[in-house]
Amino acid sequence: DQQVKQNSPSLSVQEGRISILNCDYTNSMFDYFLWYKKYPAEGPTFLISISSIKDKNEDGRFTVFLNKSAKHLSLHIVPSQPGDSAVYFCAARADQTSYDKVIFGPGTSLSVIP
Amino acid sequence: DTGVSQNPRHKITKRGQNVTFRCDPISEHNRLYWYRQTLGQGPEFLTYFQNEAQLEKSRLLSDRFSAERPKGSFSTLEIQRTEQGDSAMYLCASSLGTGYAQPQHFGDGTRLSIL
Repeated sequence: DQQVKQNSPSLSVQEGRISILNCDYTNSMFDYFLWYKKYPAEGPTFLISISSIKDKNEDGRFTVFLNKSAKHLSLHIVPSQPGDSAVYFCAARADQTSYDKVIFGPGTSLSVIP
Repeated sequence: DTGVSQNPRHKITKRGQNVTFRCDPISEHNRLYWYRQTLGQGPEFLTYFQNEAQLEKSRLLSDRFSAERPKGSFSTLEIQRTEQGDSAMYLCASSLGTGYAQPQHFGDGTRLSIL
């Protein structure tokens, strides 16, 4: 049973437009959410995170929105650039342990078309 | 380069052989994690170390898998009697445990192919 879901395996966006990547989760104990970006043949790279006490976090072109009641978060990239083409993983942590075990979604492959 | 380093990058072996992977975390990071990733899936947690202590193992980690982190620095992941289903990317990550969630920094992984 997947606790973190990314229902869109792929997404194509024109350069300069907004990319919106969605993520849903089922475990109400999750308290911290992260987005990672992964290029082929490389490991995932941390992009941005948000605590469950917030509903928005912004870092440059990247903004993450959290809707706790809907158990939904989204990553907005504005404006999208060809270099943003990668697989994006949503991840979540449950504050039930003393360490940072995170659960990853299956990923969404973003293609930004020049 | 001070990132997480994994060796080898690729490993091809015959079914039934033993394999060992190595991970060198970022030097000041006390937490080290192993993940497995298969095609179309996100990384799946395998095991976790706080310094040299292995604090949790996933049920994905069968008896054929063993991980060590002697002296709390580098870590090794060994798979004995490899099976076809072990073919995957094995990722190592490290983080600095400070009591609140710290992003994990990943290596580029070791891709294991079982013939």
